[in-house]
Amino acid sequence: DAKTTQPTSMDCAEGRAANLPCNHSTISGNEYVYWYRQIHSQGPQYIIHGLKNNETNEMASLIITEDRKSSTLILPHATLRDTAVYYCIVRVGSGGSNYKLTFGKGTLLTVNP
Amino acid sequence: SAVISQKPSRDICQRGTSLTIQCQVDSQVTMMFWYRQQPGQSLTLIATANQGSEATYESGFVIDKFPISRPNLTFSTLTVSNMSPEDSSIYLCSVDGTSGTEQYFGPGTRLTVT
Repeated sequence: DAKTTQPTSMDCAEGRAANLPCNHSTISGNEYVYWYRQIHSQGPQYIIHGLKNNETNEMASLIITEDRKSSTLILPHATLRDTAVYYCIVRVGSGGSNYKLTFGKGTLLTVNP
Repeated sequence: SAVISQKPSRDICQRGTSLTIQCQVDSQVTMMFWYRQQPGQSLTLIATANQGSEATYESGFVIDKFPISRPNLTFSTLTVSNMSPEDSSIYLCSVDGTSGTEQYFGPGTRLTVT
């Protein structure tokens, strides 16, 4: 699986948009970009994933650059409960046997009042 | 999404003993995964468990130390054997979603070895 690079930490004001970047310059054509987050003392939570088109769900938006070498996770209106470590992971999508997730160190997002 | 429970939620164990962690899912799933998260670290995959077959272990993890059972499509156990303080970690199980794209994680078992 391709390696990802994320900032170690970020701060965001409550109510503002949080934009979390991720670099994945060695991503392969069949690899998806996944985002998970881990709130302190809990198991990781799936947020969103995409291949090359921008994606949006009830939690967040995912913007993937045209060359797919980087992406940004956007939390449109961050709340204190969004304080967590956010992991950007690339892996082959559904099908086949490549289900495992390789977690990096992630970005600690702190939402401040 | 899948609802996953783990037992115990936490335990304190003596070195040299073994602990079996249970993972229960509210729906049938093909693949289950076991991860370890050492203090202050990210998650590391221990093994992948398919029902009816031997678990597949990642580099650095062996069956003698982390035996896994997968008796049916909703349940799995991970045993941490002959524990040492270095085994103090959070152990998490996860399953693939029905679409096969996302994974869902249990709440974890916090293990402290003294």
